[in-house]
Amino acid sequence: IAGITQAPTSQILAAGRRMTLRCTQDMRHNAMYWYRQDLGLGLRLIHYSNTAGTTGKGEVPDGYSVSRANTDDFPLTLASAVPSQTSVYFCASSDSASGLSSYNEQFFGPGTRLTVL
Amino acid sequence: AQSVTQLGSHVSVSEGALVLLRCNYSSSVPPYLFWYVQYPNQGLQLLLKYTSAATLVKGINGFEAEFKKSETSFHLTKPSAHMSDAAEYFCAVSSYSGNTPLVFGKGTRLSVIA
Repeated sequence: IAGITQAPTSQILAAGRRMTLRCTQDMRHNAMYWYRQDLGLGLRLIHYSNTAGTTGKGEVPDGYSVSRANTDDFPLTLASAVPSQTSVYFCASSDSASGLSSYNEQFFGPGTRLTVL
Repeated sequence: AQSVTQLGSHVSVSEGALVLLRCNYSSSVPPYLFWYVQYPNQGLQLLLKYTSAATLVKGINGFEAEFKKSETSFHLTKPSAHMSDAAEYFCAVSSYSGNTPLVFGKGTRLSVIA
């Protein structure tokens, strides 16, 4: 089934450790996004990529980095995790090339629940 | 800058009653508007979207929303709530200018009481 996969499903991590959250889509969408979801704050954009080879900062980029080496993969890295990065992380993708009817509609992965102790 | 305000972090309705979830947006350009639903421990899935065609938009599971430019609103409704509608609902806005990321509201948790 086409869609977005995220790994791991959940992770408990010691503060100071490096962690990479993986995201892969098989829909050939040109744009991909990373959000974090926190209770009472909704979804906040961390980083995004409009096309392979380009990335941009969202609302809460500090402490996170991304890369977009190809169309399908968009990993999110926490270089040195801190407890405030405890959250549920969602990857999403969208494809403006498919026409106005789906313009900016985003498809979401199942999420990664990260706990930093 | 675009923004979305969802009135009410938690709404509770009886089974069979009308569901009304409120969303107001702010945008300096014509907006695209979306409602997403999130069931427990799942990702978000699209309920419906407004992309400047009909102002009354019908979505999945019997939900609909009406775009009212004069009120800058895009409220979500369903005539009769079902237990399976219990979930978190997010309103989001983007602009007609390429792959601009969505801006989400803080969400409204809908509870349905038997």
